[in-house]
Amino acid sequence: EPEVTQTPSHQVTQMGQEVILRCVPISNHLYFYWYRQILGQKVEFLVSFYNNEISEKSEIFDDQFSVERPDGSNFTLKIRSTKLEDSAMYFCASSGHGFVLVFEQYFGPGTRLTVT
Amino acid sequence: DAKTTQPPSMDCAEGRAANLPCNHSTISGNEYVYWYRQIHSQGPQYIIHGLKNNETNEMASLIITEDRKSSTLILPHATLRDTAVYYCIVRAGGGADGLTFGKGTHLIIQP
Repeated sequence: EPEVTQTPSHQVTQMGQEVILRCVPISNHLYFYWYRQILGQKVEFLVSFYNNEISEKSEIFDDQFSVERPDGSNFTLKIRSTKLEDSAMYFCASSGHGFVLVFEQYFGPGTRLTVT
Repeated sequence: DAKTTQPPSMDCAEGRAANLPCNHSTISGNEYVYWYRQIHSQGPQYIIHGLKNNETNEMASLIITEDRKSSTLILPHATLRDTAVYYCIVRAGGGADGLTFGKGTHLIIQP
């Protein structure tokens, strides 16, 4: 069964450093998402991406964040200058194929980002 | 800002049906009810969705009241692996909108 994959599973970085989190969505999906979950808190939506541009973003997704689909398979989240409060689990998700209505989102296993 | 209300936790005996309630009294006519679950910090997993009719798939059944103000997710024969946080989410049907997760219900299946 196709699945969303994410690398690395755990990333440790120092405050102020740039990090890139990588995701490979399900191959024929058209919509891509990033979410984060700070330890012990709710899953929070960050951004959605469709047709090579951002469709929707939350208040969390400020200028420090960017997303990119550099080729036909990868979807990345970049944090330019990490802060301690960026420490969280980051989930990638994908959904939708063809021209049917999109319902379920498929989530990856997550990347745990630790900022020290 | 969550549009749904769920009990914070529930217990269920293994092998019994787990019935998870959700209130969504402000649901709009074009909004669907979705259920996801998250097993111990793994990525959320889609379970089922519905608009107004009851729905069933290989994982669960979804019962939506006639006025659509509440729903119940039913896991017919709960196993220990069903221990997870279950999220009820209201969202317009298709497209690129993100999901708004609340705190969900922590379902604990007891052996």
